[in-house]
Amino acid sequence: DQQVKQNSPSLSVQEGRISILNCDYTNSMFDYFLWYKKYPAEGPTFLISISSIKDKNEDGRFTVFLNKSAKHLSLHIVPSQPGDSAVYFCAASRPYSGGGADGLTFGKGTHLIIQP
Amino acid sequence: NAGVTQTPKFRVLKTGQSMTLLCAQDMNHEYMYWYRQDPGMGLRLIHYSVGEGTTAKGEVPDGYNVSRLKKQNFLLGLESAAPSQTSVYFCASSKLNEQFFGPGTRLTVL
Repeated sequence: DQQVKQNSPSLSVQEGRISILNCDYTNSMFDYFLWYKKYPAEGPTFLISISSIKDKNEDGRFTVFLNKSAKHLSLHIVPSQPGDSAVYFCAASRPYSGGGADGLTFGKGTHLIIQP
Repeated sequence: NAGVTQTPKFRVLKTGQSMTLLCAQDMNHEYMYWYRQDPGMGLRLIHYSVGEGTTAKGEVPDGYNVSRLKKQNFLLGLESAAPSQTSVYFCASSKLNEQFFGPGTRLTVL
C-alpha cells in the first residue's frame, strides 16, 4: 500500500510559467515532508521541506504548501526555468523513536519538463 | 568536503555471485541509509543505521545484509545476487530529517 502518492508521472510547463507538483499521503503519523530533485544518473538532491506544524515554506522560487486535513502537499516553482527539468520526489518521515530516524517514504516521482 | 560517495558506480554480476557496495560520508552524520530505485518506482528503503555498530531493516531488506563498523561507512552486501536485485542503489546520510544522497550504483544481475 503506497503511503506517499504522486499521481502525475509527468508534467509539461512552459518556461516562465508556474509549475505545480502534487503529493498525497495516507499515513497520519508523517510529520515532516521533503521534496527532492533528481537529474538522470545522479542522486536525489534536497530541495525544500516543511514541518507538519506549518502550512507553507518558501525558498526563493520554490514554495511548498501543506494541507494536513486533506493529507496533501504541493510544490510550486515560479517562474519555471529550463534547469528545473528533472524528476521530483515527494518524501515523508515519521517522528523519531528512540532517538533514531527510520528513513524516508518516497512517492514514485513526477517528471517535470520545462518547454522553451 | 565530498559529501556522500559510493563505490562502485557500475557493476554487472552473474546470478549467485556476491558483492559489497561501499558508502562513505564525511559529514559526521549519525544516520545512514541504503535505498534502491527501480523504473517507475520511488526509492525504497533497504536497511538503515542510527549509529556505528547498529543496523535495522527497512521496507525491502530480503537478500541484503549491511554493516556499520565505522561511523563514516555503511556497507551493503549481496550474498547471492538474483536478477530481481538489478536496480540503482543509493546511499544517504543525515543528521536529522534532511538526507543527503550519493550518486548511486547501477547494478545489473544477469
